[in-house]
Amino acid sequence: DVKVTQSSRYLVKRTGEKVFLECVQDMDHENMFWYRQDPGLGLRLIYFSYDVKMKEKGDIPEGYSVSREKKERFSLILESASTNQTSMYLCASTRRLAVYNEQFFGPGTRLTVL
Amino acid sequence: DAKTTQPPSMDCAEGRAANLPCNHSTISGNEYVYWYRQIHSQGPQYIIHGLKNNETNEMASLIITEDRKSSTLILPHATLRDTAVYYCIVMLLSGYSTLTFGKGTMLLVSP
Repeated sequence: DVKVTQSSRYLVKRTGEKVFLECVQDMDHENMFWYRQDPGLGLRLIYFSYDVKMKEKGDIPEGYSVSREKKERFSLILESASTNQTSMYLCASTRRLAVYNEQFFGPGTRLTVL
Repeated sequence: DAKTTQPPSMDCAEGRAANLPCNHSTISGNEYVYWYRQIHSQGPQYIIHGLKNNETNEMASLIITEDRKSSTLILPHATLRDTAVYYCIVMLLSGYSTLTFGKGTMLLVSP
């Protein structure tokens, strides 16, 4: 069974803290994505990576950075967390040349910044 | 990506077919129609996609109109576990495509 896992389901941090969200996929996928999902705003792309050490900005990259040192792992970093980064964070992966372009999602991390 | 329009909510009785509509009147010729769903507190899940022919898999059927301006996702025998938000998306089939979800349709399946 294919799987995308995220390091935490729920996380509470304080303003100004550095936050790491980890995502691991076991499907040997080239592409990995970080999204955030907020009520009324839908799903928004933060960053994506199409290969190891490669990254591309999505629609809302401000306040975030990413790291892809290994193919299976894609990390999202909040350098200095702020209350407006309270959200549900979703990681996804897909094969670059997938016939179906189906994205596989992790269970999500609900982050609260106090 | 082309914009899609979906009803905000729908109800369906358990065991009956659920038919979820989607309008995508500005879809371009090489854009596909994708459907995902998101069960509460879980990540989104791919359901099905199509270009212009009707498609069926183990989860659902997708009916796309001849002019491709609208489509319908059909869950033939809805169960309580099908209660979720269903998202209709149009996008290119590309190795670099990213997803943008709108508000979707909240489908409530009742006993």
